Amino acid sequence: KAGVTQTPRYLIKTRGQQVTLSCSPISGHRSVSWYQQTPGQGLQFLFEYFSETQRNKGNFPGRFSGRQFSNSRSEMNVSTLELGDSALYLCASSLAPGQGGWQETQYFGPGTRLLVL
Amino acid sequence: DAKTTQPTSMDCAEGRAANLPCNHSTISGNEYVYWYRQIHSQGPQYIIHGLKNNETNEMASLIITEDRKSSTLILPHATLRDTAVYYCIVKGNMLTFGGGTRLMVKP
Repeated sequence: KAGVTQTPRYLIKTRGQQVTLSCSPISGHRSVSWYQQTPGQGLQFLFEYFSETQRNKGNFPGRFSGRQFSNSRSEMNVSTLELGDSALYLCASSLAPGQGGWQETQYFGPGTRLLVL
Repeated sequence: DAKTTQPTSMDCAEGRAANLPCNHSTISGNEYVYWYRQIHSQGPQYIIHGLKNNETNEMASLIITEDRKSSTLILPHATLRDTAVYYCIVKGNMLTFGGGTRLMVKP
């Protein structure tokens, strides 16, 4: 079974631009979560989607948004990019959302590395 | 979400068992303990998870104390490819990553 795929893998943008990142979950997985990883803040939760609905949201400004489609694929968007948005953006999928167990185990993709100049 | 405490770094000789400890004293009854690892610049890799009982899979073993306030991840025969940052997480509604343990496996 193919793993989580993320596109693009690398991206360079300039301040003020916007960016859209894509995530395709493992086949059959319906829950998708997004994380941001920076050297200073580590791995931080952005948001989680299940059945096209946002279930949880981390402590990020409104410039960060996401959505999920009926086929469970997800996109996240960052508008008005800032230098501090340079990071590795990770997507993880699971069969279902929840607090633990086999169905809720999250599997990560390789990430999209975003550089904002 | 319950907070976890892990040593910042550990060394292990190749071929020996690597025992990575984690404290999670505020864990509640229905919260699972998850372990992930991250090799430089790659996405975190799921290793194992457990609730109360000890667990074993092809990658590792997870030992959870009876009071569930701490756990140990055991890599039975560490190889150089096991060099990574290992994260112990008590899962609430989302995965909350701490600093993890940087494991260096040395020849």
